Amino acid sequence: GQQLNQSPQSMFIQEGEDVSMNCTSSSIFNTWLWYKQEPGEGPVLLIALYKAGELTSNGRLTAQFGITRKDSFLNISASIPSDVGIYFCAGLKTGANNLFFGTGTRLTVIP
Amino acid sequence: SAVISQKPSRDICQRGTSLTIQCQVDSQVTMMFWYRQQPGQSLTLIATANQGSEATYESGFVIDKFPISRPNLTFSTLTVSNMSPEDSSIYLCSSRGGPDQPQHFGDGTRLSIL
Repeated sequence: GQQLNQSPQSMFIQEGEDVSMNCTSSSIFNTWLWYKQEPGEGPVLLIALYKAGELTSNGRLTAQFGITRKDSFLNISASIPSDVGIYFCAGLKTGANNLFFGTGTRLTVIP
Repeated sequence: SAVISQKPSRDICQRGTSLTIQCQVDSQVTMMFWYRQQPGQSLTLIATANQGSEATYESGFVIDKFPISRPNLTFSTLTVSNMSPEDSSIYLCSSRGGPDQPQHFGDGTRLSIL
């Protein structure tokens, strides 16, 4: 299946620090989504991006749809302990039904 | 956004048995999907549940092993048949209101096979 590569695979940061993670693919997507998953729960949608170059914020979270349409970035500012979880990117191709998921970035915030 | 409820939330089953997982969405949705997630791993699409017709399965998944029903626009079931320990996983239901709508997930069913 389609591979979306996320980096870094895991992050250990101090509370208050900013976080950056990215997602890259060899294919073009027309929609990028970012999810957060906590233990025992399903993925929760954080941000949806629909246009190349689009920059969208949701509170302390900011995500961008790459100009090439082959990548996306998620930034978290001033991290707090409840930001802990696994962050997944997901891409959707034009005319396709199914999302392709990234490999995930596991975030640990140290108080 | 749609609220998706799955039942059961977890189960422990004997090998060789089958389990049916139910998924209820609180609004009518165009698309429903079933995913599998191994612990600590990413999500893999099993199939798209089509209302009124046979599900569309991804490579590596077959109807005999994972029969799916979708009788209406708010409900779907996934059966894991003739289970073996390799089927131990999290099974997630997902829905999308329309082709250009965001996709949401239930909290999953955690399945362990002994």
